[in-house]
Amino acid sequence: GAGVSQTPSNKVTEKGKYVELRCDPISGHTALYWYRQSLGQGPEFLIYFQGTGAADDSGLPNDRFFAVRPEGSVSTLKIQRTERGDSAVYLCASLTPGLAALSSYEQYFGPGTRLTVT
Amino acid sequence: EDQVTQSPEALRLQEGESSSLNCSYTVSGLRGLFWYRQDPGKGPEFLFTLYSAGEEKEKERLKATLTKKESFLHITAPKPEDSATYLCAVLHQGSKGYALNFGKGTSLLVTP
Repeated sequence: GAGVSQTPSNKVTEKGKYVELRCDPISGHTALYWYRQSLGQGPEFLIYFQGTGAADDSGLPNDRFFAVRPEGSVSTLKIQRTERGDSAVYLCASLTPGLAALSSYEQYFGPGTRLTVT
Repeated sequence: EDQVTQSPEALRLQEGESSSLNCSYTVSGLRGLFWYRQDPGKGPEFLFTLYSAGEEKEKERLKATLTKKESFLHITAPKPEDSATYLCAVLHQGSKGYALNFGKGTSLLVTP
């Protein structure tokens, strides 16, 4: 069965450029999360969508980062004026239905997009 | 603020040498503690969820336990294919929903 997919798998960009990272969640998963993982660290929460709306964007580091999910499925993480410190693996995860029942709270992660800003 | 600390940072075991990984946490009102396995170049893979002190869960050679302050991931008679980074996370309730707050992970290497 199809899992969470992310494209591109690798992205190299120059400092100051704009990038878009895409996430295709598991079909039927209403909740979608973006995390950022630096080398030797655990994933760090960025933003969470429930349906089309950003339910919690408190993890976005600054206003250069923005994410959308216009139809409640695919999500795009957008980074403006990239900086070398933005280099990391960006992970997307979607959630099994039934968030209200925490016993079913299992996040399924994609393989990530490795972003390198030169 | 929720804190998750994992130890050791790295662990090297001989095949068959059992050991335990530790995850200590400080959280106001634990809503769930999660263990994930992460292989190089891949996203984390869900292993276990624990919700209350005293709870235990097992899967093959892995067993996760939970107390009020920490969780252990016990690995019995590990094999080289168990080599990976093991991540612990607590479920954090923000203003509008839930997210996982991860530790830095323990990098496990099992040698033949």
